[in-house]
Amino acid sequence: DGGITQSPKYLFRKEGQNVTLSCEQNLNHDAMYWYRQDPGQGLRLIYYSQIVNDFQKGDIAEGYSVSREKKESFPLTVTSAQKNPTAFYLCASSILYPQNSPLHFGNGTRLTVT
Amino acid sequence: KQEVTQIPAALSVPEGENLVLNCSFTDSAIYNLQWFRQDPGKGLTSLLLIQSSQREQTSGRLNASLDKSSGRSTLYIAASQPGDSATYLCAVSLDGNYGGSQGNLIFGKGTKLSVKP
Repeated sequence: DGGITQSPKYLFRKEGQNVTLSCEQNLNHDAMYWYRQDPGQGLRLIYYSQIVNDFQKGDIAEGYSVSREKKESFPLTVTSAQKNPTAFYLCASSILYPQNSPLHFGNGTRLTVT
Repeated sequence: KQEVTQIPAALSVPEGENLVLNCSFTDSAIYNLQWFRQDPGKGLTSLLLIQSSQREQTSGRLNASLDKSSGRSTLYIAASQPGDSATYLCAVSLDGNYGGSQGNLIFGKGTKLSVKP
């Protein structure tokens, strides 16, 4: 089945450590996205990529980094510079053209930093 | 700045009832609007996408309408079932892409629906 796989489902880290969240898709989508979801808030865009080896900052990119070395993969690193990293992280993908294509999401990674 | 509001934040209905979820947005110059479903601890599932030139979209028991001029969309669920219990989110896109200064998808905070057997 085609889809987006995020791993792990739960992740626990100590404050000050970097951590990398995995996102893999087999939908052959060009575009991939990372969102953050906090209780009582809408989803907020962290980073997105529309082509291999290129990515752009979203609204809340500070303290995060990404790479896009392969079309299928878009890992997110939460660095120690992120002041409030505990959250639910969602990866998504879409085709670029035609526009008006729906967004597909993975099942998320819940990160807890203590 | 585009803002998306969903009211109510939570809704509880008995099984079998028809119901309407509301979504409003402040800037009518949208490219499309999407409705998503999110089960607890899971990702989002796209339910319906309405292009700006459309008035409504239907899928099974779901019907979504769009009134751009008034900045409103509704999601109608017919004959609700306990399996419909989830959080429903709407999101608007300004240019059909989901990244960039114009294309960022703006999400509402969702309506948590509970359908009682």
